[in-house]
Amino acid sequence: DVKVTQSSRYLVKRTGEKVFLECVQDMDHENMFWYRQDPGLGLRLIYFSYDVKMKEKGDIPEGYSVSREKKERFSLILESASTNQTSMYLCASSTRGSGYGYTFGSGTRLTVV
Amino acid sequence: GENVEQHPSTLSVQEGDSAVIKCTYSDSASNYFPWYKQELGKGPQLIIDIRSNVGEKKDQRIAVTLNKTAKHFSLHITETQPEDSAVYFCAASMGAVVDNFNKFYFGSGTKLNVKP
Repeated sequence: DVKVTQSSRYLVKRTGEKVFLECVQDMDHENMFWYRQDPGLGLRLIYFSYDVKMKEKGDIPEGYSVSREKKERFSLILESASTNQTSMYLCASSTRGSGYGYTFGSGTRLTVV
Repeated sequence: GENVEQHPSTLSVQEGDSAVIKCTYSDSASNYFPWYKQELGKGPQLIIDIRSNVGEKKDQRIAVTLNKTAKHFSLHITETQPEDSAVYFCAASMGAVVDNFNKFYFGSGTKLNVKP
């Protein structure tokens, strides 16, 4: 069964910490995405990557960075965590072709205290 | 960029009734419209999708309709069951055209509650 795996389901971090969220997919997908999900706001795109070492800003990149050193792995980095980054983070992947849906991971619920 | 609006934000129906969720989009270049279901504690899962060259698509109790002229599309669930209770998201995409990279633009979600 193909999968997108996020390393942690729940995380609690302190303000100012550097936080790494990891995502791995086993479908050989070219595209990978990081979203955050907040009540009433839906899914908002933080960053995405269309190839190894390539990255593009999404709609809300401030306070985040990403890394994609290998095709199957896409990391989201919170450089200095703040309380307003408390959220559910979802990773997704897709093939490069048009008209194909995303496969999502189960999400990481991050709480910054 | 694309803007997708979704209504209603919450929907409560009796088991066996139908449920309809509506979305509008702004960019006529969008050509792919997936729907996702998110159960509690899980990531969203694709349940049905439709491409712009099709007006309607059905899969058992689920159907999606698309009106390109009006730029809206809808999810229809018939004979609802308690296990249909979840948050549903619509999305629109222009596909893998230059600078889009198959990005999806999501609606804000509809929480469907099916009462037994």
